[in-house]
Amino acid sequence: AQTVTQSQPEMSVQEAETVTLSCTYDTSESDYYLFWYKQPPSRQMILVIRQEAYKQQNATENRFSVNFQKAAKSFSLKISDSQLGDAAMYFCAYRWAGNNRKLIWGLGTSLAVNP
Amino acid sequence: ETGVTQSPTHLIKTRGQQVTLRCSSQSGHNTVSWYQQALGQGPQFIFQYYREEENGRGNFPPRFSGLQFPNYSSELNVNALELDDSALYLCASSLSGRGYNEQFFGPGTRLTVL
Repeated sequence: AQTVTQSQPEMSVQEAETVTLSCTYDTSESDYYLFWYKQPPSRQMILVIRQEAYKQQNATENRFSVNFQKAAKSFSLKISDSQLGDAAMYFCAYRWAGNNRKLIWGLGTSLAVNP
Repeated sequence: ETGVTQSPTHLIKTRGQQVTLRCSSQSGHNTVSWYQQALGQGPQFIFQYYREEENGRGNFPPRFSGLQFPNYSSELNVNALELDDSALYLCASSLSGRGYNEQFFGPGTRLTVL
């Protein structure tokens, strides 16, 4: 069975600094997607970034980038130039690339951004 | 383009009652997935509907059931409510098919069972 593990329940970062959130996963599939979602207090789950397993290049979206290590089954999120609006719960999620849209989620990391 | 909406926003029920939660999918999307997110936890997949048929189910008992309508909106029904059913219920809509199709989430329904 696929699993997603986030080992950091809470993290904090100073405004304008860089922070890295960790995620490991387990799967026997070769074709899958990995995601980082942000859930602010408003509860709306927002996609931050995604990575296709077949791509060796790490995904980047503005201040957000990932370090995808397929062999190690590691998928960390780096947030650069942190802003107060980045404060939220961050979830790492996995989905097989087949027809089923089922997402498997980690427990989340609560990120605080200090002014 | 209308996003995913859910109703109601909050709901309080007592143990043993039944509840129906509603989700309107994003325009053009034919697949709806439901998740349960207990306090302090990550979401857990309940089930997915595609073209009015259940198309995948997580580890939830049969008292969790659903419907999808011809306009692709969906309902989640929970019978015989238990205290542990208290959670945020999220729905997400997407297109079906192999490959990447982004899931768009609604704002959730917060269910409290007393």
